[in-house]
Amino acid sequence: AQRVTQPEKLLSVFKGAPVELKCNYSYSGSPELFWYVQYSRQRLQLLLRHISRESIKGFTADLNKGETSFHLKKPFAQEEDSAMYYCALSPGANSKLTFGKGITLSVRP
Amino acid sequence: DTGVSQDPRHKITKRGQNVTFRCDPISEHNRLYWYRQTLGQGPEFLTYFQNEAQLEKSRLLSDRFSAERPKGSFSTLEIQRTEQGDSAMYLCASSFPARPYEQYFGPGTRLTVT
Repeated sequence: AQRVTQPEKLLSVFKGAPVELKCNYSYSGSPELFWYVQYSRQRLQLLLRHISRESIKGFTADLNKGETSFHLKKPFAQEEDSAMYYCALSPGANSKLTFGKGITLSVRP
Repeated sequence: DTGVSQDPRHKITKRGQNVTFRCDPISEHNRLYWYRQTLGQGPEFLTYFQNEAQLEKSRLLSDRFSAERPKGSFSTLEIQRTEQGDSAMYLCASSFPARPYEQYFGPGTRLTVT
């Protein structure tokens, strides 16, 4: 069975502070990992995908297979980063997504 | 095309009643997914379609739940004999087959069973 764990429910930081949103997963094969984001009064949307190794809105995430983690990081948080963030897993070719419980990021001015 | 749409946005029903939700995906997307989200949880997968074929159903989807996508365009999710535990946000998403991970979500239908 596959599982995604986001151990924290809320992270509150000041503008300009570094951010790390934790995600751990459990899956026997080689999964694909994603971060989805939901801004206030908006729909859930894809933020980034581990295979692409891109930086989106200043966020990056590295897949660590040894620690089965996929933490989301940003060196300098902005107020517009305040949102709900979900880590998600897909078992390769299968398109089903398994989501974590999500974490609320609050960036204070 | 303004994205994935869902109707209704809110539904309040009494226990034991049947309800049906509709999802209209982005027109170029031939994959369509249904998820359920309860308070404090992430979305949980229910089922998905490629065109009109239902390719996978979660064990969460009891016999009271049925989904259809008859012409490979819009989809309906029906819940029969609703229970209070069915109260949740029901999300629909769609994607291109070549990019199944990039799912475009609708606004959701919030169901309250009283």
